[in-house]
Amino acid sequence: NAGVTQTPKFRVLKTGQSMTLLCAQDMNHEYMYWYRQDPGMGLRLIHYSVGEGTTAKGEVPDGYNVSRLKKQNFLLGLESAAPSQTSVYFCASSRGTAGRGYTFGSGTRLTVV
Amino acid sequence: RKEVEQDPGPFNVPEGATVAFNCTYSNSASQSFFWYRQDCRKEPKLLMSVYSSGNEDGRFTAQLNRASQYISLLIRDSKLSDSATYLCVVNANSGNTPLVFGKGTRLSVIA
Repeated sequence: NAGVTQTPKFRVLKTGQSMTLLCAQDMNHEYMYWYRQDPGMGLRLIHYSVGEGTTAKGEVPDGYNVSRLKKQNFLLGLESAAPSQTSVYFCASSRGTAGRGYTFGSGTRLTVV
Repeated sequence: RKEVEQDPGPFNVPEGATVAFNCTYSNSASQSFFWYRQDCRKEPKLLMSVYSSGNEDGRFTAQLNRASQYISLLIRDSKLSDSATYLCVVNANSGNTPLVFGKGTRLSVIA
């Protein structure tokens, strides 16, 4: 019963490198989300998806791209990493509406040097 | 005005104490309300939903005041294991819009 799985758990990138964070959920949830969490800033929504093949921008989308080719997977891409993208990234999923809350993955700690 | 505001704390309380956290939200159309708990270097986890009539789960009681746009969480008989950051969470508008998280209130329960 895995829930929401994020890979990798840790990563160090050099400025300008690219990478993709993978989020996979096995709960058949329609909605998936990517948040970043920085000290003093709380959780901020980057992008989200309301179903397979759909994506939408959140509060802080610049510098990131996402794809939801399969219902169970939500990918977050950084095309050209910047030090300002050093953060903890959390993926979450929900059944359909916000009414039941979200299930989070354990996070990816990304450092851009 | 920020969408969800919380006192960051920290609240340092002795074991057995009762502690209350408050949260205000700006969008009067918000429909869903939650308290999440986040331990250090871990993901947020749902603690409880908040209903208009108020609801209780063991030592935890949540209240919602729609007129004042105010949510509260009361913890009775605090345990050392209650030490964490408590996030107030609201949906931005009615319907299926993403949840908005407060920055959290840090609680330390001291022996």
